[in-house]
Amino acid sequence: AQSVTQPDIHITVSEGASLELRCNYSYGATPYLFWYVQSPGQGLQLLLKYFSGDTLVQGIKGFEAEFKRSQSSFNLRKPSVHWSDAAEYFCAVGATGTASKLTFGTGTRLQVTL
Amino acid sequence: DVKVTQSSRYLVKRTGEKVFLECVQDMDHENMFWYRQDPGLGLRLIYFSYDVKMKEKGDIPEGYSVSREKKERFSLILESASTNQTSMYLCASSLVSLASSYEQYFGPGTRLTVT
Repeated sequence: AQSVTQPDIHITVSEGASLELRCNYSYGATPYLFWYVQSPGQGLQLLLKYFSGDTLVQGIKGFEAEFKRSQSSFNLRKPSVHWSDAAEYFCAVGATGTASKLTFGTGTRLQVTL
Repeated sequence: DVKVTQSSRYLVKRTGEKVFLECVQDMDHENMFWYRQDPGLGLRLIYFSYDVKMKEKGDIPEGYSVSREKKERFSLILESASTNQTSMYLCASSLVSLASSYEQYFGPGTRLTVT
């Protein structure tokens, strides 16, 4: 079965600084990978996704992520963080043959200091 | 834009009550999902449905049941609410296609408190 690890529970960065959120997955074949963001009291919004092809994917709000098969990673990056990026971020993996189900990581809470 | 709505944002129920959480999506999606979200545990799948009247258990189905009588509506039922079911409940839907079926759209969530 597939699994996702987000090793950082909580990260604090200064506004304007760069950001990298880590995500490692476990799955034997090429997975479908997603990053979602959840603002306080809200549902989840899709930031970006990887299905195949170019391993560097661009998303909304200036985010990008890079799929590295050799490291089983799909880290999320942003060159300059804004205060409005403070939220919880979830990495998820989907595997073929699992009836479209996603397995989510436990999330990383991002705090942005001014 | 896909819209997934949930009947209540906040709900307070007493132990032993039967609780219904409703979810409606407006994009003709075949797949619908119910998750619960708890701090430090992320999202855990309770049940999902891939068609009307079809359902499958997720990772934590105990204490829950579901109903899908119409394509756009997926209900989560707590037959006898208990305090350990206090949580945030999230509904999601997705389209059945090769890859897009894994791209889920979420509702705003229902925060349920059982006292």
